[in-house]
Amino acid sequence: EDQVTQSPEALRLQEGESSSLNCSYTVSGLRGLFWYRQDPGKGPEFLFTLYSAGEEKEKERLKATLTKKESFLHITAPKPEDSATYLCAVQGYMDSNYQLIWGAGTKLIIKP
Amino acid sequence: NAGVTQTPKFRVLKTGQSMTLLCAQDMNHEYMYWYRQDPGMGLRLIHYSVGEGTTAKGEVPDGYNVSRLKKQNFLLGLESAAPSQTSVYFCASSGQTNQPQHFGDGTRLSIL
Repeated sequence: EDQVTQSPEALRLQEGESSSLNCSYTVSGLRGLFWYRQDPGKGPEFLFTLYSAGEEKEKERLKATLTKKESFLHITAPKPEDSATYLCAVQGYMDSNYQLIWGAGTKLIIKP
Repeated sequence: NAGVTQTPKFRVLKTGQSMTLLCAQDMNHEYMYWYRQDPGMGLRLIHYSVGEGTTAKGEVPDGYNVSRLKKQNFLLGLESAAPSQTSVYFCASSGQTNQPQHFGDGTRLSIL
């Protein structure tokens, strides 16, 4: 069964304390892996797309990496404004269609 | 920078009532999607559209109907609301299937 699992469910860090969020997946014919940020009361906001194993993308304090089984979102020296829920979604080919499967998210809290 | 606009933002219904959620995008995207987001779960696809005049079922279509009469609009209807449909509903759009989806800020719907 195709699925996406994010861990941990929640992560509390001190400001400046670097860490990583994990997104593991099993999907047929991976077409792309997407990372989003979601603030309370808002819709998901696109961060990165990764298409093949070994690919890396960076944006400010965030860096996303991809292997054949999982993706990591590394956050370096985070600030309180990085607090949000981070969502991972994987696109694969299922039921004669390209479909997006979403993880449940990791809630990140950065304490000043 | 409107992007994807959803109306209304909040709504409370009684069991058995009907309503329509409106989604409008100004990015000339072909693909549009309706999701629901429930606590502890990933986004689940209700229905989607690959272009004006087309609709297709997603993962959880029962109890919902959709229409895409104009390219920029995607409507989600609840014919007879049930408490199990209490959720936050998100609309999204994308240019192609493997491109990032852009989200509205959601409609928070409570069914009493």
